Amino acid sequence: GAGVSQSPSNKVTEKGKDVELRCDPISGHTALYWYRQSLGQGLEFLIYFQGNSAPDKSGLPSDRFSAERTGGSVSTLTIQRTQQEDSAVYLCASSFQVPGGGNIQYFGAGTRLSVL
Amino acid sequence: DQQVKQNSPSLSVQEGRISILNCDYTNSMFDYFLWYKKYPAEGPTFLISISSIKDKNEDGRFTVFLNKSAKHLSLHIVPSQPGDSAVYFCAASASNTGKLIFGQGTTLQVKP
Repeated sequence: GAGVSQSPSNKVTEKGKDVELRCDPISGHTALYWYRQSLGQGLEFLIYFQGNSAPDKSGLPSDRFSAERTGGSVSTLTIQRTQQEDSAVYLCASSFQVPGGGNIQYFGAGTRLSVL
Repeated sequence: DQQVKQNSPSLSVQEGRISILNCDYTNSMFDYFLWYKKYPAEGPTFLISISSIKDKNEDGRFTVFLNKSAKHLSLHIVPSQPGDSAVYFCAASASNTGKLIFGQGTTLQVKP
């Protein structure tokens, strides 16, 4: 596709349920990132995949959060036993990975998660 | 601790005037800086970036200035247009990592 695609755009769930959020990156981009934006806050890094390297999970807030990237393309962010504080907009981004840094990340529209 | 800070939550300017958005950082390992613009219910859109080897980068109405000694960067928009009204995020990265560290954002309102 032309841009980063995320689904669903909105998700309402009950506390304690598991949710899965999906991200389709821009074709050809080797790096994929997940961020979240809580109300009134900036974007908070969660996890980063680059090619076949082990993902950088340093931003995941708890072990209830996990993500995988299958076939180097689509990624799924899973939140188990959701809590109300998990309510946020979850944003996915992708980029070419430029050696030495300087990559521009392109974002999807996000999934708005509401935990009741 | 907040490694990237945007101390002004909001800014209002008149159409045609200059908008100046500011950003401070604390981590000296950051060597690449970006500005994103965000409209409600949309993802952030890349605007302009600057490498730490430069002190200025210009793209049309947008110019980013970097002062490494002060660990400060700013985005100038001139002339400002009503369509520029959005939330602007400053972000920084270090070349040995891929992740971006974002500021809290500044809401810009350009009045006709």
